[in-house]
Amino acid sequence: SQQGEEDPQALSIQEGENATMNCSYKTSINNLQWYRQNSGRGLVHLILIRSNEREKHSGRLRVTLDTSKKSSSLLITASRAADTASYFCATGIISSYKLIFGSGTRLLVRP
Amino acid sequence: DSGVTQTPKHLITATGQRVTLRCSPRSGDLSVYWYQQSLDQGLQFLIQYYNGEERAKGNILERFSAQQFPDLHSELNLSSLELGDSALYFCASSGTEGGFYGYTFGSGTRLTVV
Repeated sequence: SQQGEEDPQALSIQEGENATMNCSYKTSINNLQWYRQNSGRGLVHLILIRSNEREKHSGRLRVTLDTSKKSSSLLITASRAADTASYFCATGIISSYKLIFGSGTRLLVRP
Repeated sequence: DSGVTQTPKHLITATGQRVTLRCSPRSGDLSVYWYQQSLDQGLQFLIQYYNGEERAKGNILERFSAQQFPDLHSELNLSSLELGDSALYFCASSGTEGGFYGYTFGSGTRLTVV
């Protein structure tokens, strides 16, 4: 079963609007990472937040992490058509060398 | 170009056959990870190698095997292929054993079993 579950599964917004995606996970983590995947292509690492951090920014991206609720959110501000992609959260599990990916959120930004 | 090279990009083969997927990690990265992505599915972790040694195993079928060679490239072998094995297979690499600074993904091999 997947460690991370994204919500919503799909999101459609207008260009210029903000997009928020949520991720919930089950076990204790070292870090949580977000990746973007354009249709049928490889994943691109966007941002990493460590378990002792609560918020992190990178350009138009803002990630929050609430370890008590085992959840994270990714906010993309002022979205662009080029942001259309699937977004995955991935959790680095304590005492493990692997990242476990969620099922992803498909984001469509309409021009 | 991410620096992780996967070959071939596309592969079409018949049920029952065996194929080998190849991955060259980004220069300097010692860890290689294999993932399977079926249509409309998330990524399923298969296996990880670090500097030639197996480090973690996921939901990898017994028909699948992998190895990492001294030059750090890795191969994923899929045998007795079934229709359900059709998927995108991704390789990723990282500089650390646990990918604590993120993975770099290749562009994937799209396997179609007919």
